[in-house]
Parts: sequence; C-alpha cells; structure tokens
Amino acid sequence: GEQVEQRPPHLSVREGDSAVITCTYTDPNSYYFFWYKQEPGASLQLLMKVFSSTEINEGQGFTVLLNKKDKRLSLNLTAAHPGDSAAYFCAVSPNTNTGKLTFGDGTVLTVKP
Amino acid sequence: EAAVTQSPRNKVAVTGGKVTLSCNQTNNHNNMYWYRQDTGHGLRLIHYSYGAGSTEKGDIPDGYKASRPSQENFSLILELATPSQTSVYFCASGLGGSQNTLYFGAGTRLSVL
Repeated sequence: GEQVEQRPPHLSVREGDSAVITCTYTDPNSYYFFWYKQEPGASLQLLMKVFSSTEINEGQGFTVLLNKKDKRLSLNLTAAHPGDSAAYFCAVSPNTNTGKLTFGDGTVLTVKP
Repeated sequence: EAAVTQSPRNKVAVTGGKVTLSCNQTNNHNNMYWYRQDTGHGLRLIHYSYGAGSTEKGDIPDGYKASRPSQENFSLILELATPSQTSVYFCASGLGGSQNTLYFGAGTRLSVL
C-alpha cells in the first residue's frame, strides 16, 4: 500500500525564518494531496489541498509545492511566527471513491520569538 | 462549518472491558472514518464507512469493530480492550472521492489500564 515519509519529525526556527517540511510518497497513482495543521491538544484542520502534476499553491504565509514526477510534496512557511507552532501532517489520497487518506508521521514545528 | 462531535472526550477502561466510542456528524456526508493517533506518528485508519449500514476495514482493523446505524452516527467498538489500544482516536467525515476533504472531530483520549 501507499507509504508516506515526512521529514523532519521536529523543526525549530526563529520568528521570521522560513520552515520547510517535505513528504515523499510511493504510489504513482496518488491523486490528491493535503496538508493539515494540529495545534496542541486540538483536532486537525485543513491547510490546503493540491492536485495538479506540478503545482505551487500559496496560502496565508505558506506555499505548497507538489511534484508528482518526483512524488514529493512540500510545505514552506515563508516567515514563521509563534502562532505557527503546531504539528503539521501531509496526507495522500488515491484516485478512488474511498476517500481514504494515508498520513505522514507529522512534523512538530516550534517557532521561537 | 462542518461539525463532527465525538464522545466521550476522555475514557479510562480496564483491560478486557468493552469500550464504545461514538461519533456524530451534521454535515450529511456519506463517508465516515475512524483513525488512531499515537505519539510521534500520524493517523492510521481503523475502519471507515460509505453510508448507513456499511463498514469497511481500514489499515489496522484488528481488535476493533465499527457500526454505522445511520448517516449521522458512526461508532468504534473495542470488545476486549488491551493496553496497546491506549491512544487518541479521531473520527472524521467527508463526501468521499479522490479530493475528499476530511473534517475531524476533537478526538477521544483512551487509556486502557
């Protein structure tokens, strides 16, 4: 089945620095890709989902890059602030009706003032 | 805003006892999912459902049963709880399909002593 590897498991940056989290996956038929944010003690909230073969999507303070050729997905927080401190999870969906997601193990991001 | 409600939020159970975790969604989504999250790991899929009366095995179904009596409700049942099932359990709902966005509940923290 699908395997998703997420790196790094822990990341500590200073406020204003950039932070990059990367996921690689194994199934070339994977179809949709997601980033979720989980604040301490809370549930998961969707940050962004992407689809196209090579896509850059920009959100509020972050950029998501998908490269299906390399089977790689990345999340780049461009100027991190303490409110970004959380766990971040990538997730991958197959091209089926199940809607099942395979998650990476997560990255705990700490942004220090 | 999508609404997924889990109960109880915290549960302490004894080894060999029966535990039922409940989930209710008001999104009218067809699909519902049960994941568990262990420290340092992402979410792993236990069971899921396409609609009332349907349950499907996920990636780690052993030791768990599921029940979907209605569109709104999806339960996870541990018939004989073991300490290895100590975890945080998340329920989610979604429309299904490859671009399925999952909406998560707040989680249930289960400790099996």
